[in-house]
Amino acid sequence: DVKVTQSSRYLVKRTGEKVFLECVQDMDHENMFWYRQDPGLGLRLIYFSYDVKMKEKGDIPEGYSVSREKKERFSLILESASTNQTSMYLCASSLLSGRGYTFGSGTRLTVV
Amino acid sequence: EDKVVQSPLSLVVHEGDTVTLNCSYEVTNFRSLLWYKQEKKAPTFLFMLTSSGIEKKSGRLSSILDKKELFSILNITATQTGDSAIYLCAVDGNAGGTSYGKLTFGQGTILTVHP
Repeated sequence: DVKVTQSSRYLVKRTGEKVFLECVQDMDHENMFWYRQDPGLGLRLIYFSYDVKMKEKGDIPEGYSVSREKKERFSLILESASTNQTSMYLCASSLLSGRGYTFGSGTRLTVV
Repeated sequence: EDKVVQSPLSLVVHEGDTVTLNCSYEVTNFRSLLWYKQEKKAPTFLFMLTSSGIEKKSGRLSSILDKKELFSILNITATQTGDSAIYLCAVDGNAGGTSYGKLTFGQGTILTVHP
């Protein structure tokens, strides 16, 4: 069964910490995406990547960076975590042609 | 900027009821509209619609797209408690260049089905 795996299901971090969220897919998909999901706001795109070492800003990139050194792995980095980054983070992947996403199970991050 | 709006934001019904969830959109170059169901974990794919008027069906769920009026509906008949979830609508639109299959999501509709 095809999979998108996020390394942590729940994470608690302190304000100011550097946080890494990892996502790995085994479907040889070109595209990978990071979204955050907040009540009433839906899913908002943070960053996406369509190829190794390529990245594009989404709608809310401030306070985040990403890394894609290998095709199967897409990392989201919170350089200095803040309480307003407490959220559910969802990773997804798709073929370059689109046709919908496969999602990971999500990481619920709490910044205290 | 692409925009997707879902309504209602939440809905509470009893088992056996029929529900209709709405999704309207504004995109530069429409490619497809997708519906997802999200329970406690990852959103799971329900339907992808690309053409107007063709109803997609899967058991008690069905969906239809109106590309002229820029909306879609998701119908669930004879609801069950297992239908309780967040239903997400998303649009794949090409924002004047290569969109790389980037989806724009609505806020989601939280459906609660009571026994």
